[in-house]
Amino acid sequence: GAVVSQHPSWVICKSGTSVKIECRSLDFQATTMFWYRQFPKQSLMLMATSNEGSKATYEQGVEKDKFLINHASLTLSTLTVTSAHPEDSSFYICSAKGGGDADTQYFGPGTRLTVL
Amino acid sequence: GQNIDQPTEMTATEGAIVQINCTYQTSGFNGLFWYQQHAGEAPTFLSYNVLDGLEEKGRFSSFLSRSKGYSYLLLKELQMKDSASYLCAVTDSNYQLIWGAGTKLIIKP
Repeated sequence: GAVVSQHPSWVICKSGTSVKIECRSLDFQATTMFWYRQFPKQSLMLMATSNEGSKATYEQGVEKDKFLINHASLTLSTLTVTSAHPEDSSFYICSAKGGGDADTQYFGPGTRLTVL
Repeated sequence: GQNIDQPTEMTATEGAIVQINCTYQTSGFNGLFWYQQHAGEAPTFLSYNVLDGLEEKGRFSSFLSRSKGYSYLLLKELQMKDSASYLCAVTDSNYQLIWGAGTKLIIKP
């Protein structure tokens, strides 16, 4: 149990376009979802925390108008990278809380975004 | 299917050594990560193994055996601040991350 999926697995887009990444909890209701970027040294940077039905809380330095997060249901959160630029190319990972162990985060497989 | 197993919880004593095991069955292998996550914080990177053997970094070491689908994280000279969850994650043939459920490590004085 406690499976988190992401779609798409990878995406290539042109500079200036917008890309939407979905994060789904498949077998539990996720009261809270997190979005991370994985940087070249493999550290994970928390971008934002979202609770179902409310606005996301963004970490300092993360542009909320550029990285739009919607947590419309207890099983789905979306991250939209608007007007993407090459520097937005990264590996985006989501995680979700709310499974059997309320304190445990379950991580998704990640989405690799390449902006040309 | 793809699967990563690690113990749910471990307890150790301050100053001692603890080994956290991780076994994996994935479609392909492109590296194994260990992360440390304190409650309420983002995971922090500890190690990355792609070749067999032991990688040592200060008090932490990570070992990988690809033929056995096995890794361990070794923590020496345990400190109270090492109390955290330790996550094992494998990159598969599609460069997707397969995550273990994490091992909660409790350090006692």
